[in-house]
Amino acid sequence: AAGVIQSPRHLIKEKRETATLKCYPIPRHDTVYWYQQGPGQDPQFLISFYEKMQSDKGSIPDRFSAQQFSDYHSELNMSSLELGDSALYFCASSLNRGNEQFFGPGTRLTVL
Amino acid sequence: SQQGEEDPQALSIQEGENATMNCSYKTSINNLQWYRQNSGRGLVHLILIRSNEREKHSGRLRVTLDTSKKSSSLLITASRAADTASYFCATEEGAQKLVFGQGTRLTINP
Repeated sequence: AAGVIQSPRHLIKEKRETATLKCYPIPRHDTVYWYQQGPGQDPQFLISFYEKMQSDKGSIPDRFSAQQFSDYHSELNMSSLELGDSALYFCASSLNRGNEQFFGPGTRLTVL
Repeated sequence: SQQGEEDPQALSIQEGENATMNCSYKTSINNLQWYRQNSGRGLVHLILIRSNEREKHSGRLRVTLDTSKKSSSLLITASRAADTASYFCATEEGAQKLVFGQGTRLTINP
């Protein structure tokens, strides 16, 4: 069965650079979520989209923005990267809200 | 902010034994989900239990939910070495976002 696809899987950036992470949800899933997991930490919710509209917002820095496109894929844009942004970034998708969220393999971002 | 508190933080048992992990939360929930994560890898969805359910089974997994005590437990029976992972509970709050607990690191010794 198709799963959530994230790209790239690994990304290395310098401080103050920008990064774009992509997420392709499971086909027919209309809701996308982004989470950040620091080393040894639990995942923290960043932002979600339902039917291409922002649905909920968590602890997402102002330097980050995201959107969901007409084909339901989503992109997380991160600017002015800081060392503390180094983390695993997970995308998850679900069919409608209130159902199981299926996670992608994550993008490991390293900021040097 | 953290919603769930997991107990224990780490658990080490022998293969074949049962493993029980507990999760407590603070606010009203729509559902509670359990996930498994191997070191540095993705989160694998294990089971979802809705707020109006008390118990749910899936293979060797048994999840209970007590909304009066705001707690849930995950039981893995007849553990295997491949069950070694971190286990997270996550509660879904009103607007769908998942709030994760700190996780339990489970080690199954052969």
